Amino acid sequence: GEQVEQLPSILRVQERSSASINCTYENSASNYFPWYKQEPGENPKLIIDIRSNMERKQIQGLIVLLDKKAKRFSLHITDTQPADSAMYFCAAGITGNTRKLIFGLGTTLQVQP
Amino acid sequence: GALVYQYPRRTICKSGTSMRMECQAVGFQATSVAWYRQSPQKTFELIALSTVNSAIKYEQNFTQEKFPISHPNLSFSSMTVLNAYLEDRGLYLCGARSNNQAPLFGEGTRLSVL
Repeated sequence: GEQVEQLPSILRVQERSSASINCTYENSASNYFPWYKQEPGENPKLIIDIRSNMERKQIQGLIVLLDKKAKRFSLHITDTQPADSAMYFCAAGITGNTRKLIFGLGTTLQVQP
Repeated sequence: GALVYQYPRRTICKSGTSMRMECQAVGFQATSVAWYRQSPQKTFELIALSTVNSAIKYEQNFTQEKFPISHPNLSFSSMTVLNAYLEDRGLYLCGARSNNQAPLFGEGTRLSVL
């Protein structure tokens, strides 16, 4: 299978708290896991990614974790701000030009002041 | 920097007519281009993956007869929606990638069908 499941579909958090989004994938050959942020009316923008040779990656307040055994990866946003409110999509794929990325269904994050 | 431009940004067509959309990679060589449709429900559907010098691979439920794609060089791709109907509406995104990098998405072409 090639499905990517993403949960939750909607996430509401208070400003300055943490937000976590979880994804699972089916294809054990997947080795590349990007995360995209999409604001209303905008195109999706890559915010962070992780490859299968890593278990953890952090860019400022964004942390991604990868558990290859469980075929699970997650995005954690620390110290959330209202500007973090957007849709977030995870994706899983195999590196290489002929390989496709499979996207999750997205999570709407609402950061409340 | 690397960017992907899509044109037009928005288009409206009459039911049963066709429209063409374009994708331009700037600042990098788009060795592969994936066309996605984001439906009003926000899900991403992969239409097809086009790799220069290889056959274009269409996903199930999408055909070349309905969504012909051209990818003539490393900076340009186009896709046409033939005989568009209401179910074809949505945001069409072009994701261009170079080798093992993550795809960069253009702003999308939003298609409305009357």
